[in-house]
Amino acid sequence: KQEVTQIPAALSVPEGENLVLNCSFTDSAIYNLQWFRQDPGKGLTSLLLIQSSQREQTSGRLNASLDKSSGRSTLYIAASQPGDSATYLCAVDYGGSQGNLIFGKGTKLSVKP
Amino acid sequence: DAGVIQSPRHEVTEMGQEVTLRCKPISGHNSLFWYRQTMMRGLELLIYFNNNVPIDDSGMPEDRFSAKMPNASFSTLKIQPSEPRDSAVYFCASSLADGLGAQHFGDGTRLSIL
Repeated sequence: KQEVTQIPAALSVPEGENLVLNCSFTDSAIYNLQWFRQDPGKGLTSLLLIQSSQREQTSGRLNASLDKSSGRSTLYIAASQPGDSATYLCAVDYGGSQGNLIFGKGTKLSVKP
Repeated sequence: DAGVIQSPRHEVTEMGQEVTLRCKPISGHNSLFWYRQTMMRGLELLIYFNNNVPIDDSGMPEDRFSAKMPNASFSTLKIQPSEPRDSAVYFCASSLADGLGAQHFGDGTRLSIL
């Protein structure tokens, strides 16, 4: 069974810290992996998408890495800010048409000023 | 550009009533997805369409659930009859069907069945 796991479920850090969110998946035959952000009462916003042939993607203070062989991805957030507080979800695409995204349950991040 | 638009944002109704959720995808996107999110099960794909055609509805929980996409700019998810266990947040998302682009989500419909 294809499963995506995110640990920890919740994380609280002081403003300015660099932090890493973890995502692991059981089946390494992936097409791509996405990191999303969800604010309370809102839908998901795509942050970064890594194709299976790529090792990492960067956008501003965010860097996502992918290691297919070990079934792991990390989302690195540099110099965290209170505005980064949200739930971060990892999703793995096994189907190639995004019709088979398997989501983790997310890590709820709180950045304290 | 307008994002994915869902209506209503909130719906409270009594058990047994018919519920219709609506979605307008981003113009030009040819894939549309319906998800359900609960605390217990997280985010689950219910059904997705490519070019208005349902491709995989294996996530639809029961025959009480049905979805249609009559044209490229509109989709509905219907529950009839509704039950309290259907209470959840329902999201619609759209993307280009090339497997390269990210999915764009609406803000969801928070459904409460009493």
